[in-house]
Amino acid sequence: DIVMTQSPDSLAVSLGERATINCKSSQSVLYSSNNKNYLAWYQQKPGQPPKLLIYWASTRESGVPDRFSGSGSGTDFTLTISSLQAEDVAVYYCQQYYSTLRSLTFGPGTKVDIK
Amino acid sequence: QVQLVQSGAEVKKPGASVKVSCKASGYTFTSYDINWVRQATGQGLEWMGWMNPNSGNTGYAQKFQGRVTMTRNTSISTAYMELSSLRSEDTAVYYCARGGLPYPRLGNYFDYWGQGTLVTVSS
Repeated sequence: DIVMTQSPDSLAVSLGERATINCKSSQSVLYSSNNKNYLAWYQQKPGQPPKLLIYWASTRESGVPDRFSGSGSGTDFTLTISSLQAEDVAVYYCQQYYSTLRSLTFGPGTKVDIK
Repeated sequence: QVQLVQSGAEVKKPGASVKVSCKASGYTFTSYDINWVRQATGQGLEWMGWMNPNSGNTGYAQKFQGRVTMTRNTSISTAYMELSSLRSEDTAVYYCARGGLPYPRLGNYFDYWGQGTLVTVSS
């Protein structure tokens, strides 16, 4: 299985400041046949299901504010919140979908709070 | 609008089975796979497996092979996940989630999620 790690475990950022979350996969999730990175990001608020933010490592899901952006390729990825808002307090997960449909894995999550 | 509505909370004894349903609406049910993801209290997300509602084909995470069965009833656009031989460690919220790619070449991301079903396993 591809193992996903995230750093930091948690971070506190002042309102309006930038938040950066890192995600690393144990092997490349870049598929050479289509040159796409099979990496997604989700936001989960307490008591709610996860919400898809980013797929293909950098494509924003419809309706997601443009302060959220994804970058990276191969094994190293980043989710950036350019200007943290109060409603962005949540746990953020990365997920690889490179593996065949028998082994999809999530990172352990990063908790984002207001400083 | 796309919606996935799951069945209500369950309390089961160790060794029993549980079957959770996920009713889809707002899209063609057979065009996108349905995945199941669980989350123990205070813990992360754990993918359990997927099902193609059109063919009925399934793929299960190694950890759940032999204990999980995913099925569907296309006439009512509903997917089911049954987990057997329950133990206390299976206490979690179980989510169904729609695969975002209609014909995934490899795996899939999840664009719509059900509200979650709490399954409690306790003697």
